[in-house]
Amino acid sequence: GENVEQHPSTLSVQEGDSAVIKCTYSDSASNYFPWYKQELGKRPQLIIDIRSNVGEKKDQRIAVTLNKTAKHFSLHITETQPEDSAVYFCAASKGSGGSNYKLTFGKGTLLTVNP
Amino acid sequence: DVKVTQSSRYLVKRTGEKVFLECVQDMDHENMFWYRQDPGLGLRLIYFSYDVKMKEKGDIPEGYSVSREKKERFSLILESASTNQTSMYLCASRSTYGYTFGSGTRLTVV
Repeated sequence: GENVEQHPSTLSVQEGDSAVIKCTYSDSASNYFPWYKQELGKRPQLIIDIRSNVGEKKDQRIAVTLNKTAKHFSLHITETQPEDSAVYFCAASKGSGGSNYKLTFGKGTLLTVNP
Repeated sequence: DVKVTQSSRYLVKRTGEKVFLECVQDMDHENMFWYRQDPGLGLRLIYFSYDVKMKEKGDIPEGYSVSREKKERFSLILESASTNQTSMYLCASRSTYGYTFGSGTRLTVV
């Protein structure tokens, strides 16, 4: 089955700096890659996603890049703010039809933004 | 907005008890999932369902079963609770816009 590795497990940055979280996946058939943010005590929430026909996607201060050849994808957060502090999870799935919709998650990155 | 509701926020059960965790979604989604979340291990898939009465094992199904009799409700069952099943359990429902998670049930087995 699919295996998703996520690095680093913890990341501490100063407010205003950029943060990058990287994930690799094992199944070349995976084609959907979402990122979730989980604040302390709350549910994971989708912040951005990318499909395999796209190399990069941006939404304000966050962006995701995908390299299908190397089977890795990354989350980039620019101009970090204290409210960006949370655990971030990457995930992968094959994206269509029955059991292919299941997501395999990375183990998470605890991001701390210091004011 | 999609609502995914888990019936209990906190549960304490005794070893050997049969435990039911309930999840309800209000958007007629076909796909529903149960994950457990443990520190340092991320979210691991226990079971999922892609239609009424259809279920499939995830990565860690041992000790669990599920039931999906109606489209909106997906139940996770711990047949005989054990202390190693103490965890946060998250239900999710899938739409074309992605997964929506419930608030989670923190289960403690004593």
